[in-house]
Amino acid sequence: AQKITQTQPGMFVQEKEAVTLDCTYDTSDQSYGLFWYKQPSSGEMIFLIYQGSYDEQNATEGRYSLNFQKARKSANLVISASQLGDSAMYFCAMRENKSGAGSYQLTFGKGTKLSVIP
Amino acid sequence: DARVTQTPRHKVTEMGQEVTMRCQPILGHNTVFWYRQTMMQGLELLAYFRNRAPLDDSGMPKDRFSAEMPDATLATLKIQPSEPRDSAVYFCASGLVKGTMRLAHEQFFGPGTRLTVL
Repeated sequence: AQKITQTQPGMFVQEKEAVTLDCTYDTSDQSYGLFWYKQPSSGEMIFLIYQGSYDEQNATEGRYSLNFQKARKSANLVISASQLGDSAMYFCAMRENKSGAGSYQLTFGKGTKLSVIP
Repeated sequence: DARVTQTPRHKVTEMGQEVTMRCQPILGHNTVFWYRQTMMQGLELLAYFRNRAPLDDSGMPKDRFSAEMPDATLATLKIQPSEPRDSAVYFCASGLVKGTMRLAHEQFFGPGTRLTVL
């Protein structure tokens, strides 16, 4: 079973509108972290936002917010007021605390390609 | 502006040749990760180090891949011999782990090495 599922291969959004990118995850750990990264066409991976499993508030970073629903195991990324520069691939990722050994690698979803339309 | 650096940025080589990719993590970071990105498989973890010690290289084909950290400022990923199926973008990422999961946040990615094996 996939650990991270991003069901939207591609999304379109009108400039200045908000968009939600879906992410569901699968883990049996109680302690884990969820991340979103942006990958523009230039190829670099840019960290956007982080949510810890014990964080009670949804994470926010500027125009990015993470809609964390723990019971549903979902961690959707919301981008408000989309800009043309937001066009990119977006990856959801999870870090689990495997065996309590402090295993810090990330498991990534397949990504969602977001296109912002002028 | 601290960044992860990777060299070379692009590498074209012939099947059977040795390939060495280098990464300089952000100064002070104590974890280093190697990921591979392909269209088919997405982003996969190959290996990672904490305080220069290899903690997990289960994602790496052992017969041809090797990863080392000769010192805290250099991580290397070597493929010998290379094969066309190794063609991918190889990312290095570094992070700082300070104990509890709450404090271990994002991994910072380098620009990647785009490898083409003919």
